[in-house]
Amino acid sequence: NAGVTQTPKFQVLKTGQSMTLQCAQDMNHEYMSWYRQDPGMGLRLIHYSVGAGITDQGEVPNGYNVSRSTTEDFPLRLLSAAPSQTSVYFCASSYSSGWTGELFFGEGSRLTVL
Amino acid sequence: AQSVTQLGSHVSVSEGALVLLRCNYSSSVPPYLFWYVQYPNQGLQLLLKYTTGATLVKGINGFEAEFKKSETSFHLTKPSAHMSDAAEYFCAVIASSYNTDKLIFGTGTRLQVFP
Repeated sequence: NAGVTQTPKFQVLKTGQSMTLQCAQDMNHEYMSWYRQDPGMGLRLIHYSVGAGITDQGEVPNGYNVSRSTTEDFPLRLLSAAPSQTSVYFCASSYSSGWTGELFFGEGSRLTVL
Repeated sequence: AQSVTQLGSHVSVSEGALVLLRCNYSSSVPPYLFWYVQYPNQGLQLLLKYTTGATLVKGINGFEAEFKKSETSFHLTKPSAHMSDAAEYFCAVIASSYNTDKLIFGTGTRLQVFP
């Protein structure tokens, strides 16, 4: 049972570099989302998707892009990394829309921007 | 807008003692409320949720929470703490009657359990 798989688990970037955090789920979930977790701030929603081809912004979308070309994959792109984007990123998915609250989380990707 | 406030970023209890983690919500419409738990170096997993119906909700690992509309609270309790309960706990809210898919989390409470 793979569930929600995130890669890479760890990444160090220099300011201005770009990268993509990958997220894949094998549960045929329609809803997928990205959160960032920072000390003392809990989890903040970056972007989410309610199905292939549909994405929307969360609480802190600036500096991040997403796309949803397939049901399984929901990559998060950082076009020009900044130190403020140093964080732990979590991908989460759900059977339907997020209101059910039963999100299934990946194990996280720890990103450091120097 | 909906939000949750978790009172106390750190809570320490002795093994066998009562666990009480506080969560207050703000919502102009009836909320759906959740508690998630995060063990070290892992993602979050659902402990319990309140949507409609019974206001006392039971979850996994002996935890329960009570929705109190008059107090806008959804505190998490467990009668007797176990060492394995040490983790970070997050309260979360979503608006039930808006067409929204945004689950909003609180800032978290780290629970320490001492032998």
